[in-house]
Amino acid sequence: QVQLQESGPGLVKPSQTLSLTCSVSGDSISSDNYYWSWIRQYPGKALEWIGYIYYSGNTYYNPSLKSRVTISVDTSKSQFSLKLSSVTAADTAVYYCARGYSGLVQSWGQGTLVTVSS
Amino acid sequence: DIQMTQSPSSLSASVGDRVTLTCRASQSIYSYLNWYQQKPGKAPNLLIYGASNLQSGVPSRFSGSGSGTDFTLTISSLRPEDSATYFCQQSYTTPPLTFGGGTKVEIK
Repeated sequence: QVQLQESGPGLVKPSQTLSLTCSVSGDSISSDNYYWSWIRQYPGKALEWIGYIYYSGNTYYNPSLKSRVTISVDTSKSQFSLKLSSVTAADTAVYYCARGYSGLVQSWGQGTLVTVSS
Repeated sequence: DIQMTQSPSSLSASVGDRVTLTCRASQSIYSYLNWYQQKPGKAPNLLIYGASNLQSGVPSRFSGSGSGTDFTLTISSLRPEDSATYFCQQSYTTPPLTFGGGTKVEIK
């Protein structure tokens, strides 16, 4: 059974870049069948899809975040990563990495809280 | 983008009650509707996919129905462990993946 684990700083200063990594275990990240997602959840509980990547490197981003987001994959390390630039307090959220297929989200990491504050 | 609206935003019910949650899409999504359960402090968990298909391991008291724009998640006999927030998500037009705002189910 696949397991996903987020890692990265829990506190980021305004205007800086948020960087998170998701480590995948229990299954290969190099599968045509799945995409690897980042999703965030605001303190008020709403969920927002950030984007996803296939192991081939093809990416798809939420249009509302596209100018600030980069998702990359490192198959040799079985990891994929998120970079979100020019963060503000509005980017404070729990960030989840996840695996999905056919438009749904099948497996989630435990989530990591990122606070944007000086 | 397709917008997803859930109602009610919260409800309180007793153990053993039949509970129905509603999700509405801003346009037809046929049966491309998924439901997730999120318990406090945990990540969401896939409950139902394709509007009515139970994910492996999900108790049979959960069921989903609907097509087009209107969908329901029903808990036939509410259990204490069902206290959670439930989210719907459309998978008809992706990306982007879009979620409803959630319904919080509390036990009286």
